[in-house]
Amino acid sequence: QVQLKESGPGLVQPSQTLSLTCTVSGFSLTSNSVHWVRQPPGKGLEWVGAIWSGGSTDYNSALKSRLSISRDTSKSQVFLKMNSLQTEDTAIYFCTRRWELDYWGQGVMVTVSS
Amino acid sequence: DVLMTQTPVSLPVSLGGQVSISCRSSQSLVHSDGNTYLHWYLQKPGQSPQLLIYRVSNRFSGVPDRFSGSGSGTDFTLKISRVEPEDLGVYYCLQSTHFPLTFGSGTKLEIK
Repeated sequence: QVQLKESGPGLVQPSQTLSLTCTVSGFSLTSNSVHWVRQPPGKGLEWVGAIWSGGSTDYNSALKSRLSISRDTSKSQVFLKMNSLQTEDTAIYFCTRRWELDYWGQGVMVTVSS
Repeated sequence: DVLMTQTPVSLPVSLGGQVSISCRSSQSLVHSDGNTYLHWYLQKPGQSPQLLIYRVSNRFSGVPDRFSGSGSGTDFTLKISRVEPEDLGVYYCLQSTHFPLTFGSGTKLEIK
């Protein structure tokens, strides 16, 4: 069945770089897009960016200068890298699939703090 | 960016009752391919969002027919009939017609 699972460090220092991995199963990255969505504690959902089935990417313009999404299709993994982290980047980060965001991972909590 | 205005913020309901949630967009959500990419999610406490309705009115796999979606253009509605305890949580609308994708601010369904 379709599954997505996020992994990465729970704590990142301000100004450092966040690296997250989304490992998927039950579907192919070459046929499906994968998106990243984040949710600050107690707040709503924000679309971060996506990597499409062909490998191209789109980013939220507010984050674009700090963000990179890539993938390794042989490992069924999608990667998110965000640099110059600030406390406002503290959030649960989810990976999810397709235009309609049909399946979601459990999310990974990332805290930006010294 | 497309602004998604979701109302109400909070929605008290009696179990077994019926409710509606509204989502209005700042511009039309009709894509150039003719589809309307407006979707609805439920996020239960401590869980990831789960897809309920995609492209305005299509129920996702396993979603009971108590949930229905309607609307067009810029005005959309999610209806929940015969509310059950498992329906409680925060509901979000999402548009994926335009970049960046944008969510409504959420509607919390709670017991009256």
